[in-house]
Amino acid sequence: QTVVTQEPSFSVSPGGTVTLTCGLSSGSVSTSYYPSWYQQTPGQTPRTLIYSTNTRSSGVPDRFSGSILGNKAALTIAGAQADDESDYYCVLYMGSGISVFGGGTKLTVL
Amino acid sequence: EVRLLESGGGFVQPGGSLRLSCAASGFTFSSYALSWVRQAPGKGLEWVSVISGSGGSTYYADSVKGRFTISRDNSKNTLYMQMKSLRAEDTAVYHCARCSSSTTCYLRFDYWGQGTLVTVSS
Repeated sequence: QTVVTQEPSFSVSPGGTVTLTCGLSSGSVSTSYYPSWYQQTPGQTPRTLIYSTNTRSSGVPDRFSGSILGNKAALTIAGAQADDESDYYCVLYMGSGISVFGGGTKLTVL
Repeated sequence: EVRLLESGGGFVQPGGSLRLSCAASGFTFSSYALSWVRQAPGKGLEWVSVISGSGGSTYYADSVKGRFTISRDNSKNTLYMQMKSLRAEDTAVYHCARCSSSTTCYLRFDYWGQGTLVTVSS
């Protein structure tokens, strides 16, 4: 199966903006992959942030946004806060029922 | 309130079998596809399998195809995962997750259970 790629780690300063990306080992990500993004803090279940490329899940602050940037899906966090420090996972739908998670990005806010 | 409660995890030797269950409440069970997603200790999330709301369609990740079987009993509001020929690399917390559609999880996983730990070791 195709590998979904994410940056293993990223750091951002409090109040700063960071863009995490989600790519494919072969090919380009488009809206047809219905990219979604999940936030997971240690010991917790994942929380949906963004689905269908850029639809914000209920209760998610508008400083989280999703898009396609070039050949990748992207999650942008504006005005980063300390409690944004988490693991972020993207998921791409490959068709035929198959979903694939990226390896996750560990975001540090410091 | 949507609730998903997994059970059935435990310690099993390589080559062994285990059946996981996920009891659901708070929504019309047959209207939603359900998935299993696992997370090995200290590792990332991995999608394992999905079953449609009717139970008529099932799909698997290559890593478990032929060894795991997903099923559901809509009269009992319960999802299952029969796991055979277990390997050390199957060691993980197994979460059941509700899909936001009745067919697959193409859109998103909108509710998650806390998970049940499966440990495969000799």
